[in-house]
Amino acid sequence: EVQLVESGGGLVQPGGSLRLSCAVSGFTVRTNYMGWVRQAPGKGLECVSLIYSGDYTYYTDSVKGRFTISRDSYQNTLYLHMSSLRVEDTAVYYCARAVPGNPSWFDRWGQGTLVTVSS
Amino acid sequence: QSVLTQPPSVSGAPGQRVTISCTGSSSNIGAGYDVHWYQQLPGTAPKLLIHGYINRPSGVPDRFSGSKSGTSASLAITGLQAEDEADYYCQSYDSSLSGWVFGGGTRLTVL
Repeated sequence: EVQLVESGGGLVQPGGSLRLSCAVSGFTVRTNYMGWVRQAPGKGLECVSLIYSGDYTYYTDSVKGRFTISRDSYQNTLYLHMSSLRVEDTAVYYCARAVPGNPSWFDRWGQGTLVTVSS
Repeated sequence: QSVLTQPPSVSGAPGQRVTISCTGSSSNIGAGYDVHWYQQLPGTAPKLLIHGYINRPSGVPDRFSGSKSGTSASLAITGLQAEDEADYYCQSYDSSLSGWVFGGGTRLTVL
């Protein structure tokens, strides 16, 4: 059975750091496109970052230089390292599998983890 | 403000048909990028509904269908049911932004 389980969210002060994890079962993180999509409270969806085969990465402009996506083959886990966090980064962060396409779409999603950036 | 424009809300009575539009431009839908649709039930993660304009993953009822016209895409839901009450999002790629984009979302209310 395919499962994606996020963890690592919480309350952090502006300027702080956090690492989100997405533990995957039912498929291999290393051989799939994977991404992080966030949703600010009461707002719509935003694609934050993707990682492709060959470890090619994509970041939305607002997080470039602050967020880093990575994956661990042994743990079969996807990560999002977030630093220099801002109040506007407050959101539920979803981990998702992306299917290669024109463009890629997200066919499996985790339940999400809430990140709150506040002093 | 998303580059993919959706109506904020639509509504319909049980059994009726509703459509949700997703209007883009020459840098996304008009550039040949596909549109995908997601359903987000209250308090849950999004779920893939349609990919590549018209393709339904297994398990998605055929009451849901997609189409394309010019620089717009549409999601149609026939035989509305109370359980269809949710937020719906379209998704594509924008070459000007060089990134994956979602529409602003449409809240469907079943009257």
